[in-house]
Amino acid sequence: SQTIHQWPATLVQPVGSPLSLECTVEGTSNPNLYWYRQAAGRGLQLLFYSVGIGQISSEVPQNLSASRPQDRQFILSSKKLLLSDSGFYLCAWQRRTGISTDTQYFGPGTRLTVL
Amino acid sequence: KNQVEQSPQSLIILEGKNCTLQCNYTVSPFSNLRWYKQDTGRGPVSLTIMTFSENTKSNGRYTATLDADTKQSSLHITASQLSDSASYICVVTRGAGKSTFGDGTTLTVKP
Repeated sequence: SQTIHQWPATLVQPVGSPLSLECTVEGTSNPNLYWYRQAAGRGLQLLFYSVGIGQISSEVPQNLSASRPQDRQFILSSKKLLLSDSGFYLCAWQRRTGISTDTQYFGPGTRLTVL
Repeated sequence: KNQVEQSPQSLIILEGKNCTLQCNYTVSPFSNLRWYKQDTGRGPVSLTIMTFSENTKSNGRYTATLDADTKQSSLHITASQLSDSASYICVVTRGAGKSTFGDGTTLTVKP
């Protein structure tokens, strides 16, 4: 069976510090991978998605970046965090079948607080 | 503009009662509509998914309906349980595969 891991689960960082969140998927190959951010009481906002190693698409301009160094590893980074980067970060994977009805499976999330 | 509006924003019901959550969308072209359940502090979990030709889909006590003509969907929860307390998110996917998420409805089931 497939599983998706995210770490850390919670993180408190000062403004201006760097960030690295990691997401890994087990039990599948060549997945589509996604990073979302969810502000308190709001819906999910797609930040990045990837259809393969080294292939990253950005949905919104921001001070975050993403990388996919391995097939089942997706990393979200920032060189300098802003207060507005606080939120709940979710990673998701989806089978790469080209069928839009395939479900996205979400990880447990990382709660980031920037002080 | 592609939007997904959910109502109500929050809802409190007593255990055992039924409830219905609404989702209106302007996303075009339409590909499919999903309902997710998100427990507090957890990732969303898929409940149902419907394509253009489907107007109802059930998953246990959860029943989703879709009216593609009026661009409305509803999620009906029957005989609510305390474990149904969560945020319910409506997601509409366009033909190009891009998804738009609603802000969710927060449901609280009280004993």
